[in-house]
Amino acid sequence: EPEVTQTPSHQVTQMGQEVILRCVPISNHLYFYWYRQILGQKVEFLVSFYNNEISEKSEIFDDQFSVERPDGSNFTLKIRSTKLEDSAMYFCASSKIPDEQYFGPGTRLTVT
Amino acid sequence: RKEVEQDPGPFNVPEGATVAFNCTYSNSASQSFFWYRQDCRKEPKLLMSVYSSGNEDGRFTAQLNRASQYISLLIRDSKLSDSATYLCVVPGGSGNTGKLIFGQGTTLQVKP
Repeated sequence: EPEVTQTPSHQVTQMGQEVILRCVPISNHLYFYWYRQILGQKVEFLVSFYNNEISEKSEIFDDQFSVERPDGSNFTLKIRSTKLEDSAMYFCASSKIPDEQYFGPGTRLTVT
Repeated sequence: RKEVEQDPGPFNVPEGATVAFNCTYSNSASQSFFWYRQDCRKEPKLLMSVYSSGNEDGRFTAQLNRASQYISLLIRDSKLSDSATYLCVVPGGSGNTGKLIFGQGTTLQVKP
């Protein structure tokens, strides 16, 4: 069964550093998403991406965040200058239509 | 009313019990609804989709009441492996962008 994959599984970085989180969505999916979950809190939408452009982003997704689909398989989330409050689990998801979404295993980001 | 609201629980039930979770949502225009399951520190996994009045899959039944903006999930004959957090999920955002709004989740603990 095809799955969404994410790397790395855990990333530790210092405040102010740039991080790139990587995702490989399911191959025949056209819609891609990033969500985050701060420990003990609910899953929060960050951004949706379709046809090589952002279709919607949340207020969390400020100028420090960007997404890219650099080739036919990868989908990345970049945080330019990390803050302590960016520490969370980041989930990538994909879907054939903007509906039933399948999530990757997540990247745990720890900002120190 | 919150966008998606769930009773956080925990629900502690014996094996074999029937348990029901409720969820209310605020966006009356929502057409599709989802229940996801999340195990501790793992990704959300799609459990059921609800597009009309309800859906049934084995021991799991989801029901939708559009007039009351209320969704329920019924689990019959609970197994130990059903222990998890159950997330009520409703599409949000402007247009068909795939943005999902997650509830806080209801925790289920099935005991032998």
